[in-house]
Order: sequence, then structure tokens, then C-alpha cells
Amino acid sequence: AQTVTQSQPEMSVQEAETVTLSCTYDTSESDYYLFWYKQPPSRQMILVIRQEAYKQQNATENRFSVNFQKAAKSFSLKISDSQLGDAAMYFCAYRSAGTGNQFYFGTGTSLTVIP
Amino acid sequence: DTAVSQTPKYLVTQMGNDKSIKCEQNLGHDTMYWYKQDSKKFLKIMFSYNNKELIINETVPNRFSPKSPDKAHLNLHINSLELGDSAVYFCASSQDKIGSSPVTDTQYFGPGTRLTVL
Repeated sequence: AQTVTQSQPEMSVQEAETVTLSCTYDTSESDYYLFWYKQPPSRQMILVIRQEAYKQQNATENRFSVNFQKAAKSFSLKISDSQLGDAAMYFCAYRSAGTGNQFYFGTGTSLTVIP
Repeated sequence: DTAVSQTPKYLVTQMGNDKSIKCEQNLGHDTMYWYKQDSKKFLKIMFSYNNKELIINETVPNRFSPKSPDKAHLNLHINSLELGDSAVYFCASSQDKIGSSPVTDTQYFGPGTRLTVL
């Protein structure tokens, strides 16, 4: 089974600053998808950003961008101009490109935004 | 017009009781999932159904029984509740047509059900 590792249980950032959350994964597959989900205190799981492994270009969604290093099996999330509403638990997830495959989640990183 | 809905959002019950959590998605997805999130926020897959057929059944006690009456619904029934069952349970869905392509990849989650067993 694939494993997803988030080595930072907790992170903090000053409002308006930039923070990077790390994620690494272990797989022998060449085609897969990677995701970052956000879980605020409301506990709703919200998709932040996704990346197809076959695309070399890093995905971006407004203030959120990823640094996808396929050879290193690394998928970090960069949050620019951090806002108070970014405070949440962030989960990295992996999914094979084949059908019927499950999602593998990391253990999460709790992000605090300091006013 | 919630995409993935779960009922109830909160469930408090006594040990030994039987309870059900319902999940419905209106996204037209063919795959649905149940996850358990413990107090440390770790997300653990429990079950996955594709077109009403069980495709993932992780090691969970057989007190947990999923039921999928149609591909838009995946309910979770729990018998003889125990203290350790207290957690947040998430339903999710994705589009995953086995045997055809393309397979879309994103999983959408319901709001979660916080189960507290006393």
C-alpha cells in the first residue's frame, strides 16, 4: 500500500506571510493524483488543490500552489499571503490513476495563523 | 443543494446501542466511501462501494455494516456500540467508472458525523 507522510504535525505563520507544508509519499506507480485537503474547525473537508503526476507543471489555485517533485516523491503546499481563515488542519492525499483505488491520507498538519 | 450530505451531524448514544448514519450524494458519482477520523485527526478508510458493490473493506469490526441501496446512497450501520467507536465519521464520493476511462480523481466529502458513545 502507498504511504503518505506529513512530517510537520504543527506549523504556524504570521498573517500575510508565506508558509510551506511538506508531504512525501511512497509509491512504485508512475501515474497517480495528489491532493491537499483543508479541514477547518467546522470539520468540513475541503479540496484545496490537486495535481496529476503526469503533468510537470505545478498546480496553482489563487494563493495556494504546490511544489511537485516527482523523482523525490515530494508534494509540498505553499500558502502565500496567509489569512486568518487559512487556519486549519491540512491533509495530503494520494490516489492511483487506476480504477477502484482508494485514497491514502497523511496524518495532517495543523496550521495556526498568527494575527 | 449540498453535494454530499450526512445525517445526523451529531449522535450521542449509550454503549451497546445500534445506530445508523446516512449518506447521500447528488454529484452523480458512482463510488462512495466511509472514513473514520479519530481524536488525533487521523483519517482511516473503512469501506468503499462502487455502483452498490463493495470494493474496499478495510479491517473494521463486523459490527460495522455498510449498505448501499443505490449508487447515490451509502449508509453505515453500527451494532453494539463501544466507547472506542467515538469519532467523526465522514462519507465521501468520487467518480470512478471501473473498466472505462477517463477516471476523474477528486473525492468530495460530507460534513461529517460526530459520534459520541457514553
